[in-house]
Amino acid sequence: NAGVTQTPKFRILKIGQSMTLQCTQDMNHNYMYWYRQDPGMGLKLIYYSVGAGITDKGEVPNGYNVSRSTTEDFPLRLELAAPSQTSVYFCASSSLAGSFNEQFFGPGTRLTVL
Amino acid sequence: EDQVTQSPEALRLQEGESSSLNCSYTVSGLRGLFWYRQDPGKGPEFLFTLYSAGEEKEKERLKATLTKKESFLHITAPKPEDSATYLCAVQLPFQGAQKLVFGQGTRLTINP
Repeated sequence: NAGVTQTPKFRILKIGQSMTLQCTQDMNHNYMYWYRQDPGMGLKLIYYSVGAGITDKGEVPNGYNVSRSTTEDFPLRLELAAPSQTSVYFCASSSLAGSFNEQFFGPGTRLTVL
Repeated sequence: EDQVTQSPEALRLQEGESSSLNCSYTVSGLRGLFWYRQDPGKGPEFLFTLYSAGEEKEKERLKATLTKKESFLHITAPKPEDSATYLCAVQLPFQGAQKLVFGQGTRLTINP
């Protein structure tokens, strides 16, 4: 099992550009999450999904969009990049939400918007 | 407002010097408290889940405890490989998904 994989590892964008951060998990988990981590701050939930075709906003969703067409994939879309979106982005997945199962995290994507 | 605060922000110890990291929280309806370890350039890695006050869990040199207002991560006789950032997160009641609120982390450095 590869677990949770994310691409790319690093990316530099210009203001106003768009991009998609890819996330794939091979554990057949229903629940998937996108977080951002800024220096000295805790992880903040951007969006989450409870299954294919079902997504919802987290704590900081503005400027982002998601889709979930398959169980395995949960891409995060930035439409008009802004310097405030410079951050490290982590995707995570878990098998159940009602129980207290751990979330498995990917290695992260470091994004810089100039 | 739900809040999780970790202290200290950074801690430097000598190898073998035991200490504790603190995670205090003000949340409504705690459903669980998680500890994660994060190495530089990597994603968080799960360590423990604590469900109720008085509970303790151990793994090698680490022991996590929970009270009604805070959790401690005790590190006994640490080694350099224990150097990492330690994150705590609390799970809130949230229908349909596991909503975690993270603290800012404690960066731990163990000098040989």
